Amino acid sequence: AQSVTQLDSHVSVSEGTPVLLRCNYSSSYSPSLFWYVQHPNKGLQLLLKYTSAATLVKGINGFEAEFKKSETSFHLTKPSAHMSDAAEYFCVVSGKLAYKYIFGTGTRLKVLA
Amino acid sequence: NAGVTQTPKFQVLKTGQSMTLQCAQDMNHEYMSWYRQDPGMGLRLIHYSVGAGITDQGEVPNGYNVSRSTTEDFPLRLLSAAPSQTSVYFCASSYFGDNEQFFGPGTRLTVL
Repeated sequence: AQSVTQLDSHVSVSEGTPVLLRCNYSSSYSPSLFWYVQHPNKGLQLLLKYTSAATLVKGINGFEAEFKKSETSFHLTKPSAHMSDAAEYFCVVSGKLAYKYIFGTGTRLKVLA
Repeated sequence: NAGVTQTPKFQVLKTGQSMTLQCAQDMNHEYMSWYRQDPGMGLRLIHYSVGAGITDQGEVPNGYNVSRSTTEDFPLRLLSAAPSQTSVYFCASSYFGDNEQFFGPGTRLTVL
């Protein structure tokens, strides 16, 4: 069985400071992992994905994530937060059936001026 | 390409009414799915389809029906709406065997 846990439901950072959104996963198979972002009243946009190639994955808008098998983690980071990063972020795992996504409960990122 | 489109964007229903949420994609994707999004619960899979004529249940299928008569369209039917079905509904599609799903803009449904 697969599952994903987003460790923080809310994160607040000041503009210009680093962002860390934490995600742990559980999977019986070699997983694919994703981060999606949802801005208020919008749809979901793919930030980045890991599919068993490089463990450090770079995404759009300066975000990146590192796949750590030993820690079963896939944390999302950005060196310097921007006001436009304020949104909800979802960590997603898929496995044997690649198209069956399991979503985390989301982390709402607030960026303070 | 329009990608994944959903109609309507907003809908208000009374308890017991029926309606169909429309989803279409123009990318020739085999796989399509419906999710509902509720606060604090992420997105949960309602139904999915791996091709025309083939559908299956996801995590929360009760109260919803689907069919897939064409590759492009995957409508979601609420037969008798209940307040518990108040939610935001997202449709998604992908190539079969590919990992990345593409999401529509969502339908916000309120059942009174």
